[in-house]
Amino acid sequence: AQKITQTQPGMFVQEKEAVTLDCTYDTSDPSYGLFWYKQPSSGEMIFLIYQGSYDQQNATEGRYSLNFQKARKSANLVISASQLGDSAMYFCAMRPNFGNEKLTFGTGTRLTIIP
Amino acid sequence: DAGVIQSPRHEVTEMGQEVTLRCKPISGHDYLFWYRQTMMRGLELLIYFNNNVPIDDSGMPEDRFSAKMPNASFSTLKIQPSEPRDSAVYFCASSLARGAYYNSPLHFGNGTRLTVT
Repeated sequence: AQKITQTQPGMFVQEKEAVTLDCTYDTSDPSYGLFWYKQPSSGEMIFLIYQGSYDQQNATEGRYSLNFQKARKSANLVISASQLGDSAMYFCAMRPNFGNEKLTFGTGTRLTIIP
Repeated sequence: DAGVIQSPRHEVTEMGQEVTLRCKPISGHDYLFWYRQTMMRGLELLIYFNNNVPIDDSGMPEDRFSAKMPNASFSTLKIQPSEPRDSAVYFCASSLARGAYYNSPLHFGNGTRLTVT
């Protein structure tokens, strides 16, 4: 079974600063994918970034990057130059490459960007 | 490209009534998922399909819930009879297949907010 832990229930960050959202995971699967989703107040779930467990380099997508430390089982999301529109809930999730297709979510971090 | 389409966006119904939620996945996706989100329990997987076949329905709360996928472009989640504790946001999502060295994200619809009074 997989478990995702997000230890920061809420964060307040000044606009234009970088922010790191923490995510640790636990799994016995040898290969897996790690994902981050954004859920703004409007409610939709927006896929942000993906990191494969075999990937040698950290994933990047625009202002989003993933600090992947496999030995420590962590996959922190880094948002550079934060904007007011980044205020939202952020979920870390994991999906094994084999077996059950389930995407397992953490409890989320509510990020608020302060002008 | 059209994303995952869910209807209705909002549903308010009385206890005991039948509720049907609808989903159109992204064309070409092999997998379809139904998730439920509540404040207390977060995001829970209810059921998922592969090539229209239900694979894992262990998350379906009880017999009042049923899901079908009659073809590759349409799925329904039905609750009969509905109860107040079913109030939640229900998400449909779809994805491509995974591989040994790569995975695929789930793409979510906008959700259906269900309120049972």
